[in-house]
Amino acid sequence: AQSVAQPEDQVNVAEGNPLTVKCTYSVSGNPYLFWYVQYPNRGLQFLLKYITGDNLVKGSYGFEAEFNKSQTSFHLKKPSALVSDSALYFCAVRDMGGSSNTGKLIFGQGTTLQVKP
Amino acid sequence: EAGVAQSPRYKIIEKRQSVAFWCNPISGHATLYWYQQILGQGPKLLIQFQNNGVVDDSQLPKDRFSAERLKGVDSTLKIQPAKLEDSAVYLCASRGQGSEQYFGPGTRLTVT
Repeated sequence: AQSVAQPEDQVNVAEGNPLTVKCTYSVSGNPYLFWYVQYPNRGLQFLLKYITGDNLVKGSYGFEAEFNKSQTSFHLKKPSALVSDSALYFCAVRDMGGSSNTGKLIFGQGTTLQVKP
Repeated sequence: EAGVAQSPRYKIIEKRQSVAFWCNPISGHATLYWYQQILGQGPKLLIQFQNNGVVDDSQLPKDRFSAERLKGVDSTLKIQPAKLEDSAVYLCASRGQGSEQYFGPGTRLTVT
């Protein structure tokens, strides 16, 4: 069964410092991986995805993520954090298993990012 | 391009009452998803439609939850009767030809 783990409930970082939000996955086959961000009382916003190709994926708002197959990780990164980046971040893997291949997303439990001025 | 629309944004009901949520996906998106997000957890799929057909409803509590997408566009999700544990945010998402899903703002349901 496919799964995603986000080992940190919360990440605290000072504005201007680099940030990393961790994600590891377990899938059979090649993974489709995603990062979403959720602001209070808002839906999830798509940040970036990895399907194939370059291991470093660039996305919205200056975020990027590094796919590491040997470590089964897909960590979200940003070189310089902003206070406005404070939000709840979800890593997800697309379910490619089963005969139906529904393409549903399986989400991690989320990591709260707190960026302090 | 307009995003995914959902209504209502908030709903408070008593247990054993019924409630319905509405979703209008992004124009042209054939695939529509309903997710349940309980506080402190990631969203979990309830049901997936491809046009007006159900692709996956394996996680839908069918004794109390139902959903439809009659014309392959808008969708409604209903709970009858509601239980306390149904308190959650209900998210609708749609997907076009690409692999990413686009989410609506959600409906926050409180069952008292």
